[in-house]
Parts: sequence; C-alpha cells; structure tokens
Amino acid sequence: ETGVTQTPRHLVMGMTNKKSLKCEQHLGHNAMYWYKQSAKKPLELMFVYNFKEQTENNSVPSRFSPECPNSSHLFLHLHTLQPEDSALYLCASSQEFLAGGRFGELFFGEGSRLTVL
Amino acid sequence: GESVGLHLPTLSVQEGDNSIINCAYSNSASDYFIWYKQESGKGPQFIIDIRSNMDKRQGQRVTVLLNKTVKHLSLQIAATQPGDSAVYFCAEVSSGNTPLVFGKGTRLSVIA
Repeated sequence: ETGVTQTPRHLVMGMTNKKSLKCEQHLGHNAMYWYKQSAKKPLELMFVYNFKEQTENNSVPSRFSPECPNSSHLFLHLHTLQPEDSALYLCASSQEFLAGGRFGELFFGEGSRLTVL
Repeated sequence: GESVGLHLPTLSVQEGDNSIINCAYSNSASDYFIWYKQESGKGPQFIIDIRSNMDKRQGQRVTVLLNKTVKHLSLQIAATQPGDSAVYFCAEVSSGNTPLVFGKGTRLSVIA
C-alpha cells in the first residue's frame, strides 16, 4: 500500500467512448503525475501538477485531458482514443515538484490497465 | 504493472547469489539518480537514490554505484531472494526543474 489509489484497475473502451481514470493520494503530497507505461516504450511522463497547477504537458495528444481539482485528486479524462493508447496508466505523487532530490521520490499507484478496442 | 511484451534485458540469478543490474545514462548534466523496482501487477517503488557528488551509497541489502566518467550506474542486491524478482528501472534527473527520465528497465528473475 503506497498511499496512492487508482481506479479503475482495468478498463476496456471503444474508440468513441468517454471515460475517466481517477487517482487519489493520502500522503499529503502537493505534486501529482500521470505516466504511461506501454509494451513498446519505457515509462513516459504525461502530465505534472504542482499545487494544483499544471507544470508539465509532455506533448500529450488532446484526447487525454487531465484535471486536478485539489492536491489529493487527479483525473485523466479519455475521449476518442486509439488502439495504440492501450497501456498501463500510472499515477504518482511526490511532496513537491522541485529541482533535484526533493522531487525524486515518487510514490506510484498500482496503475489502470487500459485497453482500447 | 508488468511490462508485458517489452523486450527487456533479463538477468537470471540463483537465490542467495548477488545481483548486479546496470544502467547507462547519456546526459552528463544529470546529477541525481534513482532506482525503482516494479513487481508484477504493481506500480514502481523507490529503492535507493544517489547524488552525483557521491560514487556509492548503501541501503539494506542494496548498493548503488555511480561512475560519472563513463556515465554508468549499477544496483547491487546482496543475497538475492525470490521476492526480488521484478523489473528494475534507473531514473535520472538533471539540474533544474526537470522531471525524472526513466530507463527501459531490466527484468530480474530469481531461481529458487
């Protein structure tokens, strides 16, 4: 139990569906992240929120839309996805998003396994 | 959390032996390095970190070695146990407000 909870753990959706992934952290952290882990690539950073403000958008297609209503919750809204978007989506949190070491220790959730048909 | 289908370097080790997992990095500006462990069905977990002003750091049963000259990082696990079976990622951070960059990972299999 890392203190970061992701739901759903598994999601199957069609290309025209709209769905959302949810992440909640119980660690009192101020930074939250979405990573994508696919079969063909290493962990890819998608978005970073620091104190509810988006600080990183790593050239992610607009069919992925993040939302951070407060420091404890992070959503990833999905719309008109493609089969190549099938992957494990990992949420993480850290105390703050700062340079170097204080950024370093990320606490990950167990991921949401997404399959796009 | 498994990287199914990803062609990962694999290391097979007999239970009780020591394991050495290697990682090469390319950014000479990277000044902070972290090792993560990802067990099947789980997210990555922090193991140990090291700053560039050090060349060695020890934890419980794990040691990280940093060779800045050849941009090489290694993770040594002493007396490897079945519970150590996982994918191990190195990650680097360069100075400034930049996020972690993860390597591709190495799959460690422990043979009982």
